[in-house]
Amino acid sequence: KQEVTQIPAALSVPEGENLVLNCSFTDSAIYNLQWFRQDPGKGLTSLLLIQSSQREQTSGRLNASLDKSSGRSTLYIAASQPGDSATYLCAVRYSLSYNTDKLIFGTGTRLQVFP
Amino acid sequence: DGGITQSPKYLFRKEGQNVTLSCEQNLNHDAMYWYRQDPGQGLRLIYYSQIVNDFQKGDIAEGYSVSREKKESFPLTVTSAQKNPTAFYLCASTRRSYNSPLHFGNGTRLTVT
Repeated sequence: KQEVTQIPAALSVPEGENLVLNCSFTDSAIYNLQWFRQDPGKGLTSLLLIQSSQREQTSGRLNASLDKSSGRSTLYIAASQPGDSATYLCAVRYSLSYNTDKLIFGTGTRLQVFP
Repeated sequence: DGGITQSPKYLFRKEGQNVTLSCEQNLNHDAMYWYRQDPGQGLRLIYYSQIVNDFQKGDIAEGYSVSREKKESFPLTVTSAQKNPTAFYLCASTRRSYNSPLHFGNGTRLTVT
């Protein structure tokens, strides 16, 4: 069974810290992995998408890495700010058959950055 | 601005009533999805549609129905057969390319009493 796990479930850090969020998946035959941010009561906002052929993607203070062989992805947030407080989710896209794929979500890491 | 609009933001219904959640997108995306989010659980797929007039059941389709008569619209009906309908419902869309990112609406919170 394909599973996506995010540890820790919650994280609280002081402003300015560099931090790493983890995402693990059980099946390495993935198409891509996407990181999202969700603010309370809102939908998900796409942050980064890493294709299976890539090892990392960067956007501003965010850097996501992908290691398919070990089934892991990390989201690195540099110089964290209170505005980064949100829940961060990863989602892995798998191929099921021709023209059919499946996206499996982790349960997220709830991040709080305090001033 | 292109995006996905879900309405209403909050919805309250009595048990036994059917209710329809709206999802409209102007991103010209072919594929659309409905997810359900419950506290402490990952998003679970209800239904998805990759093309107009075609849709497929997801992991938890029982008690739900959808239609896809227009490319821009993918409404979800929560029927009285859904045993535990109170949840946060999210609509998403993407281009029909495996490496296209998924875009989400802002969700509808449904409360059934």
